[in-house]
Amino acid sequence: EAAVTQSPRNKVAVTGGKVTLSCNQTNNHNNMYWYRQDTGHGLRLIHYSYGAGSTEKGDIPDGYKASRPSQENFSLILELATPSQTSVYFCASGGDIYAEQFFGPGTRLTVL
Amino acid sequence: GDSVTQKQGQVTLSEDDFLFINCTYSTTTYPTLLWYVQYPGQGPQLLLKVTTANNKGISRGFEATYDKGTTSFHLQKASVQESDSAVYFCALVDGNTGKLTFGDGTVLTVKP
Repeated sequence: EAAVTQSPRNKVAVTGGKVTLSCNQTNNHNNMYWYRQDTGHGLRLIHYSYGAGSTEKGDIPDGYKASRPSQENFSLILELATPSQTSVYFCASGGDIYAEQFFGPGTRLTVL
Repeated sequence: GDSVTQKQGQVTLSEDDFLFINCTYSTTTYPTLLWYVQYPGQGPQLLLKVTTANNKGISRGFEATYDKGTTSFHLQKASVQESDSAVYFCALVDGNTGKLTFGDGTVLTVKP
């Protein structure tokens, strides 16, 4: 069965600090995605990747970096966290650009 | 760019009631339209997919249809159960990149 895991599940950070959110998938999917979900809103795409070594900007990339060191792992990096980045972050993987995306359980990030 | 509008933020029904959720979309590519369901504490999971080829999708008692003339797509279920309580998102697949654009979600509460 498709498996996407995220760590940590909950994170409290201070303004100006560096935050790294990690995602691992065992589906052997080429594509991986990072979204954020704010209360009362749908998911918005931050960064995505077509394979190891590649990252692409999504719809709201400002303030975020991404890293795809391997097929299985995709990280989201907040170099200087701000309170506006308080949100729930979801990682997803997909086999090709039209394939179903499988989502992880999410990471709740609070920036104080 | 692509856009999706999902205006029904909250829907409250009783068991065995009829469910109807509507989304409108805008895209310059051939639309592939998705419905995702999200249960508390989980990531979204694909419920239904509708393309211009099939015009309709059916899964778990839910039916999704789309109307090209009005650029709208609908999710319906004849008889909801308490276990259907969740958040339902419509989403549009970008025909060139496969990126997803989500609506804001509909919180469905089904009372026993």
